[in-house]
Amino acid sequence: GAGVSQSPSNKVTEKGKDVELRCDPISGHTALYWYRQSLGQGLEFLIYFQGNSAPDKSGLPSDRFSAERTGGSVSTLTIQRTQQEDSAVYLCASSLGLAGGARSYEQYFGPGTRLTVT
Amino acid sequence: AQSVTQLDSHVSVSEGTPVLLRCNYSSSYSPSLFWYVQHPNKGLQLLLKYTSAATLVKGINGFEAEFKKSETSFHLTKPSAHMSDAAEYFCVVSDRAGYQKVTFGIGTKLQVIP
Repeated sequence: GAGVSQSPSNKVTEKGKDVELRCDPISGHTALYWYRQSLGQGLEFLIYFQGNSAPDKSGLPSDRFSAERTGGSVSTLTIQRTQQEDSAVYLCASSLGLAGGARSYEQYFGPGTRLTVT
Repeated sequence: AQSVTQLDSHVSVSEGTPVLLRCNYSSSYSPSLFWYVQHPNKGLQLLLKYTSAATLVKGINGFEAEFKKSETSFHLTKPSAHMSDAAEYFCVVSDRAGYQKVTFGIGTKLQVIP
């Protein structure tokens, strides 16, 4: 079946502009995650959605970052007033979530969006 | 609280020799542990997982990992490296208490020398 998709694959923006990154999770996956991967660094957790519960936003680096998930499916990560340090690959992942039993923690990753802030 | 430490940022091996990528974890509960692989310009792929069944876990492409509670380790091994194994490997931990948030290690870059 279809995997996790993300769009755009690449985004170049000017400092100070807002950007929106989109994630389409695997159908039926109740959990959705956003991560940031900067050059030479590991994955930095940003936010986690599980079903209709309030999201875990503990990883968002500043109030310029926000995310929403509509209808328990598609998610959008918004970065306002982008800064050069926001340049990174933004990865989305989904999993079966709490209903997945032994497979609940297996995350399936999208190809990422490479964001470059000039 | 959960955390994971990958002890080597870079590992270099010759083709045909064994691979050892080290990972130590910290968890308040009985953890789930994973290894993910990321090939250059490709997405992350699950390599193998431990979720409290057998402590020796076999994954794809000949990799395996052993969960050692006494050592809080989950090292990744392969008997014989192949050129196609060159990639970045991430060790991941999740507390098992219905807590879905996982923690990634910083990654280990594996170089395979012909």
